[in-house]
Amino acid sequence: DQQVKQNSPSLSVQEGRISILNCDYTNSMFDYFLWYKKYPAEGPTFLISISSIKDKNEDGRFTVFLNKSAKHLSLHIVPSQPGDSAVYFCAATLPSGGSYIPTFGRGTSLIVHP
Amino acid sequence: DAGVIQSPRHEVTEMGQEVTLRCKPISGHDYLFWYRQTMMRGLELLIYFNNNVPIDDSGMPEDRFSAKMPNASFSTLKIQPSEPRDSAVYFCASSSPGWGHGYTFGSGTRLTVV
Repeated sequence: DQQVKQNSPSLSVQEGRISILNCDYTNSMFDYFLWYKKYPAEGPTFLISISSIKDKNEDGRFTVFLNKSAKHLSLHIVPSQPGDSAVYFCAATLPSGGSYIPTFGRGTSLIVHP
Repeated sequence: DAGVIQSPRHEVTEMGQEVTLRCKPISGHDYLFWYRQTMMRGLELLIYFNNNVPIDDSGMPEDRFSAKMPNASFSTLKIQPSEPRDSAVYFCASSSPGWGHGYTFGSGTRLTVV
């Protein structure tokens, strides 16, 4: 049973436009949400995160929005660049004895066309 | 810092053979995680260690899988005997408390069991 769901396996966007990647979750106890980016033949790398007490976090071209009532978060990339083409994983954490173990979604493959 | 180092990068083995994947975490990180990535299930947590002690191995799919962390700088994931359905990319990651900027993943080991 997937507690973190990324229902779009792929997304194609034109360079310069906005990319919106979506993520839904089922566990209302999740307290921290993260996005990771993964290039082929590399491990995922941390991109941006948001605490459950906030509804927006911005870092340069990347903004994550959290809608707790809908159990939904999204990652906005503006403007999109070809180098953003990668697989994006959404993750959520539950505090567990001081550690924070993320549960990952299946990922969304973003392709940004020049 | 060289990051999280995994070996080998690629492994092709015959069904029934033993496979050992290796990981060197970042020095000073006291959490180590093993993940498996497949198209169907995305990134699955197999097991994690804290200060070399296995904390949660509920994600290990079968008794054929075992993991050890004999010291703070080395961990292994062993599959014996291997089966074709074990084919996947296996990632190791490490982190430390106050990890709000996420885990650091290795580049992964692509395992193919034929």
